[in-house]
Amino acid sequence: KAGVTQTPRYLIKTRGQQVTLSCSPISGHRSVSWYQQTPGQGLQFLFEYFSETQRNKGNFPGRFSGRQFSNSRSEMNVSTLELGDSALYLCASSLAGVSDTQYFGPGTRLTVL
Amino acid sequence: KNEVEQSPQNLTAQEGEFITINCSYSVGISALHWLQQHPGGGIVSLFMLSSGKKKHGRLIATINIQEKHSSLHITASHPRDSAVYICAVNPGAQKLVFGQGTRLTINP
Repeated sequence: KAGVTQTPRYLIKTRGQQVTLSCSPISGHRSVSWYQQTPGQGLQFLFEYFSETQRNKGNFPGRFSGRQFSNSRSEMNVSTLELGDSALYLCASSLAGVSDTQYFGPGTRLTVL
Repeated sequence: KNEVEQSPQNLTAQEGEFITINCSYSVGISALHWLQQHPGGGIVSLFMLSSGKKKHGRLIATINIQEKHSSLHITASHPRDSAVYICAVNPGAQKLVFGQGTRLTINP
């Protein structure tokens, strides 16, 4: 089976812009979770989707949003980018949720200038 | 205080040594994950535990639910084991809370 893929792998944006990141899960996986990793805060949970429904959201401002499509592919969007949004954004897929083994994508490295 | 604490934060050892990384958490959990992250960012899931002990090759993970503590052991360590090891817990609901990671360096 193909692994989890994320596009794009690298992205440079300027403050105030918006960005959309994409995650394609392993075939058959219905849960997709998103995480932000920064040197200062480490890994932090953004949100989890299952069958097109957001089941939980982490402690992030409303500028961070996401969605999941019927084929389980997921996107996350960050609007009005701030310098502090520079991070590695990772998604992970699993069969049923975060109590299952998580399969991580390679991440999208976002730089905000 | 963080919900998930790992120790040590950094660990340097010689090839062949037995390695232990600890994870303590302060909340009730449904599951605990041990993850490995190599330079470049890729994360691999090593174990998912809800009780007891699991073994995969040279890696062993244990969890004590009553004491809210888990350990990851590496036997016969090798330079290719050099990575950041991250503990993550599922405190109910669909979310993960992460430890700060343990940076392991194995010297030949």
